[in-house]
Amino acid sequence: GAVVSQHPSWVICKSGTSVKIECRSLDFQATTMFWYRQFPKQSLMLMATSNEGSKATYEQGVEKDKFLINHASLTLSTLTVTSAHPEDSSFYICSARDISRSSYEQYFGPGTRLTVT
Amino acid sequence: DAKTTQPTSMDCAEGRAANLPCNHSTISGNEYVYWYRQIHSQGPQYIIHGLKNNETNEMASLIITEDRKSSTLILPHATLRDTAVYYCIVRATGGADGLTFGKGTHLIIQP
Repeated sequence: GAVVSQHPSWVICKSGTSVKIECRSLDFQATTMFWYRQFPKQSLMLMATSNEGSKATYEQGVEKDKFLINHASLTLSTLTVTSAHPEDSSFYICSARDISRSSYEQYFGPGTRLTVT
Repeated sequence: DAKTTQPTSMDCAEGRAANLPCNHSTISGNEYVYWYRQIHSQGPQYIIHGLKNNETNEMASLIITEDRKSSTLILPHATLRDTAVYYCIVRATGGADGLTFGKGTHLIIQP
């Protein structure tokens, strides 16, 4: 149980284009999902918190107009990187909390590697 | 959330127990200790968490000192697949916020 998937697993796009990444909880419902990114040889950095049916909360320094987050259902959150540039190339990882559990561990997706050329 | 300190890297022989330390001297009474690991190019994996009692599951054991200022994650019989970066994270109950990852410990299991 507690499986989180991401699609695509990797994507290459040209500078200036937009890319959408999906995060799905496969066998549980998640009112809250989180988006992280990880640059090479660095740790994960929280980008934003995605709440079902409401606006996302962004961490300081993360541009909300560039990283659009939609959490339209209890099992799906999407991250759209708009007008991507090479510096946006990174490993993007989502996580989700299982609302049926009293504990608060987060379950992570396998990540999406974005390369902007 | 309280800050944690972990060694940058550790080696362990395959089949032996791997003991990963974590210092969290500023931990508050309502904060849990969580452990995650990240195998190269994959998403992090939850391992275990605890408040003050020792905990054990199918993956590992967590030993928390009586003063709660430090803890040790124990992988009882390490395999090559346990090579990963291990993150010790201290966070309050409720879990409404995302996780703050430090640099973690790069555990390398030697054949």
